[in-house]
Amino acid sequence: KQEVTQIPAALSVPEGENLVLNCSFTDSAIYNLQWFRQDPGKGLTSLLLIQSSQREQTSGRLNASLDKSSGRSTLYIAASQPGDSATYLCAVKGGTYKYIFGTGTRLKVLA
Amino acid sequence: NAGVTQTPKFQVLKTGQSMTLQCAQDMNHNSMYWYRQDPGMGLRLIYYSASEGTTDKGEVPNGYNVSRLNKREFSLRLESAAPSQTSVYFCASSVGFQETQYFGPGTRLLVL
Repeated sequence: KQEVTQIPAALSVPEGENLVLNCSFTDSAIYNLQWFRQDPGKGLTSLLLIQSSQREQTSGRLNASLDKSSGRSTLYIAASQPGDSATYLCAVKGGTYKYIFGTGTRLKVLA
Repeated sequence: NAGVTQTPKFQVLKTGQSMTLQCAQDMNHNSMYWYRQDPGMGLRLIYYSASEGTTDKGEVPNGYNVSRLNKREFSLRLESAAPSQTSVYFCASSVGFQETQYFGPGTRLLVL
């Protein structure tokens, strides 16, 4: 059974710092992996989608990498800003329509 | 272009009452999903609809039913609400099952 883990559960960093969020999964047979952002009391916003054949995806200050063999993905945020404060979730899709979500990393960027 | 909309935003029910959560998308997506989000549990899939006219169970379907009314709308029904169904419910849609999922703003449900 696929399990998705995100460590740490919470993280505080000063503004301007580069940071890495981690996501690990137990079954490497995946179709894709998606990173989401969730603001308090809001829905999820898709940040990056990495297909199983890809190694990384970039969007602005965000870069997500995927290493299926080790069951890991990282989300790199460059030059963090207070507006980046949110919960970041990763989700892994296997051989069905089902995404398995991690419980998220709550990020706070201090001004 | 509203994306994915959900109604109501918030609802309080008594144990045993029934209700339907509504979801609509205006992006011409084929696939739609219902999730629940509970503290410490992450999001869990309740039901999904791969395309108009089809529905399938997800990870936690017990106590729920769904209807894919047309390509735009996918509703979730609680026939007899229980306190364990207190949660935040999210609807999502995607072009196909390999594609990015777009989420609605959520419905907060409290069952007393």
